[in-house]
Amino acid sequence: EPEVTQTPSHQVTQMGQEVILRCVPISNHLYFYWYRQILGQKVEFLVSFYNNEISEKSEIFDDQFSVERPDGSNFTLKIRSTKLEDSAMYFCASSEWDRGSPLHFGNGTRLTVT
Amino acid sequence: GESVGLHLPTLSVQEGDNSIINCAYSNSASDYFIWYKQESGKGPQFIIDIRSNMDKRQGQRVTVLLNKTVKHLSLQIAATQPGDSAVYFCAEGGTSYGKLTFGQGTILTVHP
Repeated sequence: EPEVTQTPSHQVTQMGQEVILRCVPISNHLYFYWYRQILGQKVEFLVSFYNNEISEKSEIFDDQFSVERPDGSNFTLKIRSTKLEDSAMYFCASSEWDRGSPLHFGNGTRLTVT
Repeated sequence: GESVGLHLPTLSVQEGDNSIINCAYSNSASDYFIWYKQESGKGPQFIIDIRSNMDKRQGQRVTVLLNKTVKHLSLQIAATQPGDSAVYFCAEGGTSYGKLTFGQGTILTVHP
C-alpha cells in the first residue's frame, strides 16, 4: 500500500537555526499538507498546498514557515529561525483531491529545539 | 470558537467486546468527518470517513455514525482486539482545502 514517507524521523536543532523537514507524498496525490502535534495536544493544521502554491494556512504558519515542492516527488517544510515552542511532531499528509478526500499521514518528524 | 471534542478521554475494554468512541462537533458547516487511529510513534492512520449526506457507514469491523441533529459522531469497533489499542481522533472538514480540525483524542486500551 502506498504511503507518505518523512525524513528525518527526529531532528534536534538549536534555537534560531533553520530546519527543513522532508516528505514524499503518495505519488498520485495532488494535495499536500503539513500538520503538527505538540506533545499531549491535538493535531493542528498548518498549511495546504496544491498546484505549486499554498491553498490555505493557519495562524501558526507565520513568516518563519515556508513550503516548497522542489521536484516531482518531494514536499518540504522550512522553519527559518526555530523557537523553543516549535518543538513538536510535524506530520506531512497528502490526498487525491481536496474536500472530502481522506488525508493520508506520514509517521512524522519529531523536532526538538534546544 | 468552533471545535471538535471528545466526551471520553480514556476507554478500557476487554478483548472481544465492542467499543464505542464518541465525538461532538460544533461547526455545522462541516460536511466531512474522519476517524483516525494513532499508535505510539506513528502518524494518524485513516480508519473510516463519512460525508454529511449519510448517517451511517460501515467498514471492516468499524462503523461510523453521524447524527447531524445533535452534532455527534461515533466510532464503533466490533470484537475489539489488543491491536486496536491506540489513540482515536475524530476530525471534521470539508469547508476548506484539506483543513481538518481534530478532536483531542480518546485512548482506547484493550485488555486480553
